[in-house]
Amino acid sequence: GENVEQHPSTLSVQEGDSAVIKCTYSDSASNYFPWYKQELGKRPQLIIDIRSNVGEKKDQRIAVTLNKTAKHFSLHITETQPEDSAVYFCAADNAGGTSYGKLTFGQGTILTVHP
Amino acid sequence: EPEVTQTPSHQVTQMGQEVILRCVPISNHLYFYWYRQILGQKVEFLVSFYNNEISEKSEIFDDQFSVERPDGSNFTLKIRSTKLEDSAMYFCASSFQGDVETQYFGPGTRLLVL
Repeated sequence: GENVEQHPSTLSVQEGDSAVIKCTYSDSASNYFPWYKQELGKRPQLIIDIRSNVGEKKDQRIAVTLNKTAKHFSLHITETQPEDSAVYFCAADNAGGTSYGKLTFGQGTILTVHP
Repeated sequence: EPEVTQTPSHQVTQMGQEVILRCVPISNHLYFYWYRQILGQKVEFLVSFYNNEISEKSEIFDDQFSVERPDGSNFTLKIRSTKLEDSAMYFCASSFQGDVETQYFGPGTRLLVL
């Protein structure tokens, strides 16, 4: 089955700096890669996703890049703000293949943005 | 904006007892999921459900677990005889037929088995 590895486990940045979180996946059939933000005690919230037919997607201060050959994808947050502090999870899915949306999650990254 | 809801938010139970966790998916969604997150660990897939049957389940989802859509709005997860290691946050999620991959999560039920 799919295995997703996420690094780093913790990331501490100063407000205004950029943050990058990286994930690798094992199943070359995976074709959908969402990123979720989870604040303490709250639900995972989808912040951005990318499908395997594109290499990069941007939404204001966040962007995701995908390298299918190397089987890795990254989340980039620019101009970080204290409210970006949360746990970020990457995930991979082979939707449309043999599964109906079975997300395999990475271990999570605790991002702390210091004012 | 519609959201997935879950009840209860917290549940404390004795080992060996049965628990039922309830979810109300977003109204026009047809795909439903349960995930769990043990404290401090990653979110893990349990089961997916479509057209009134299980589509896929993980090795965690053994005979102690079952899911049901008892009516047009609720989706439930039953744990027949809880174990200490079932203590976790349980998240329900749903997705829309036209965009199956995009899953929207509920707020979770924190289950504590004593």
